Amino acid sequence: DAGVIQSPRHEVTEMGQEVTLRCKPISGHDYLFWYRQTMMQGLELLVYFNNKAVMDDSGMPKDRFSAKMPNASFSTLKIQPSEPRDSAVYFCASSKPRTEFGYTFGSGTRLTVV
Amino acid sequence: QKEVEQDPGPLSVPEGAIVSLNCTYSNSAFQYFMWYRQYSRKGPELLMYTYSSGNKEDGRFTAQVDKSSKYISLFIRDSQPSDSATYLCASFLSTGGYNKLIFGAGTRLAVHP
Repeated sequence: DAGVIQSPRHEVTEMGQEVTLRCKPISGHDYLFWYRQTMMQGLELLVYFNNKAVMDDSGMPKDRFSAKMPNASFSTLKIQPSEPRDSAVYFCASSKPRTEFGYTFGSGTRLTVV
Repeated sequence: QKEVEQDPGPLSVPEGAIVSLNCTYSNSAFQYFMWYRQYSRKGPELLMYTYSSGNKEDGRFTAQVDKSSKYISLFIRDSQPSDSATYLCASFLSTGGYNKLIFGAGTRLAVHP
């Protein structure tokens, strides 16, 4: 199993530009999570999906962030327009329904907005 | 107040030392507790998982939960340079549905030879 795959690994963009982060979860994992990690805030949950449906997006700034999961093997997190405060590492994670298995995280996308 | 509090460190110890990493949590309904390890420029990976109070041992690692004091601990015996990483505690509720993990801030550990 290739694990959770995220792309790109690094992204540098100018303020105001649109950024799209991509994630391929582990096959058979019904749950998909997008986290943001910064030194100040640690890991923050932005949104999570169950069987492609958004279950909780209360952590996501909805004026500029949007998340989609068009099929079971692909999800995107889009930021438009991007701002310097969005600079962080964005992780995608997936999980089976039984939570004692924990989450499997991808290697993250390091986003820098200048 | 965050639901899971963790001292960010950094913690620096010599090789072979016993390491104690700690977290506190505020929600008495939390039942499941996990420790994740995160190497530099990698995603967190599940290290250990415990349910309710008690100890769980896995090799050099021991996870301990004291629900009466809302305290979570991870002990590393005979620490190795390869243990150098950030350790995150996490907790969540189980209510029959699915619940999101709440992470601590993570403690950065450096084990030097």
